[in-house]
Amino acid sequence: DGGITQSPKYLFRKEGQNVTLSCEQNLNHDAMYWYRQDPGQGLRLIYYSQIVNDFQKGDIAEGYSVSREKKESFPLTVTSAQKNPTAFYLCASRVTSGKVETQYFGPGTRLLVL
Amino acid sequence: GENVEQHPSTLSVQEGDSAVIKCTYSDSASNYFPWYKQELGKRPQLIIDIRSNVGEKKDQRIAVTLNKTAKHFSLHITETQPEDSAVYFCAATPGGHGGATNKLIFGTGTLLAVQP
Repeated sequence: DGGITQSPKYLFRKEGQNVTLSCEQNLNHDAMYWYRQDPGQGLRLIYYSQIVNDFQKGDIAEGYSVSREKKESFPLTVTSAQKNPTAFYLCASRVTSGKVETQYFGPGTRLLVL
Repeated sequence: GENVEQHPSTLSVQEGDSAVIKCTYSDSASNYFPWYKQELGKRPQLIIDIRSNVGEKKDQRIAVTLNKTAKHFSLHITETQPEDSAVYFCAATPGGHGGATNKLIFGTGTLLAVQP
């Protein structure tokens, strides 16, 4: 888990503002994921990427965008179209060892709306 | 698509007792089932996982059982300790085309409180 970092730890967004959350990993993992966590709702998948320059929408992609220009980086932009962005955002990356599909999480970014 | 239900949402036990958390899934092709522990304000940490070709797996005080026919899997914690207090999440990886993406579908979590 120490190989996955997220910044900042806390982020404040003003109305109408786009903000970008950083996720970096030095584990040489191919796949990376973004989840949103709200109280009592578990983790919901926003976007995921299995390889550089490719990504797919998850279950709640509206109002978010991503890029995957480098293997180690998968930034998430919360756009002004996301009307309820207050949540805990978790990035994860995946190692494949034989048949194992274990995902490891970063420390998270808590986004608050001013 | 895959749907994972988790029960109970909260569980309170006395120190030393056992705790059991149950999850059901809808996609019969699901083939990987991890369990994560999340302490307050921290990241989820993988504590144990099981694949569809195994019925039970144990790691010290933690065990997971899988019933493919009934499509449910359970986390068992024995001799609970106060440091076991946390939110526990189950998850499933869909099979078929969904499995190729290695997505995880999470349950809604169980808040376990171990009373000293």
